[in-house]
Amino acid sequence: GDSVTQMEGPVTLSEEAFLTINCTYTATGYPSLFWYVQYPGEGLQLLLKATKADDKGSNKGFEATYRKETTSFHLEKGSVQVSDSAVYFCALNRMNRDDKIIFGKGTRLHILP
Amino acid sequence: DARVTQTPRDKVTEMGQEVTMRCQPILGHNTVFWYRQTMKQGLELLAYFRNRAPLDDSGMPKDRFSAEMPDATLATLKIQPSEPRDSAVYFCASGFALQETQYFGPGTRLLVL
Repeated sequence: GDSVTQMEGPVTLSEEAFLTINCTYTATGYPSLFWYVQYPGEGLQLLLKATKADDKGSNKGFEATYRKETTSFHLEKGSVQVSDSAVYFCALNRMNRDDKIIFGKGTRLHILP
Repeated sequence: DARVTQTPRDKVTEMGQEVTMRCQPILGHNTVFWYRQTMKQGLELLAYFRNRAPLDDSGMPKDRFSAEMPDATLATLKIQPSEPRDSAVYFCASGFALQETQYFGPGTRLLVL
């Protein structure tokens, strides 16, 4: 079945460091891929998405590129801020088969000032 | 700024009591999802509705959980009787059918003693 695997956390970085959170997927066909972010005490919100191979999603300085050949969608940011501290979820949709989104387990990110 | 609302935000109850959580989806959205989040299991899909009809509740313990949509502006998740293992954060999300983004509410934090 469809699944998403992302690196386990927590990930702790200093402010202005480079961030990579790895995500790989298994899916039938070519799903759309997402990164959602959950700030403390809040629900998840969409951070960025990519709908086809080689697409790059970007938002708030974060980027991720849809790599079909490696079935990956790694999240990157060049210079993190304390306000980026949150839990990040990689996810995929089920290609118009239904409305479900399959989420990874989440990666907690701590940014130290 | 349209948002998904959930009530209550926090609930503390004793084992055996009935718990009802409510969700108001974004006006016009025709899909509604209930998720449960715990540290151990991560984010689990409990049930989802399209056009108020339940399409999948396979993630929900049937003996004690029930989910309904009495009308397009209200979704409910009920636990009866509640147990300590039900302690978690319950999220509601809404969206448009077969489209890619789900919009999450702030969650109901449930503690069953």
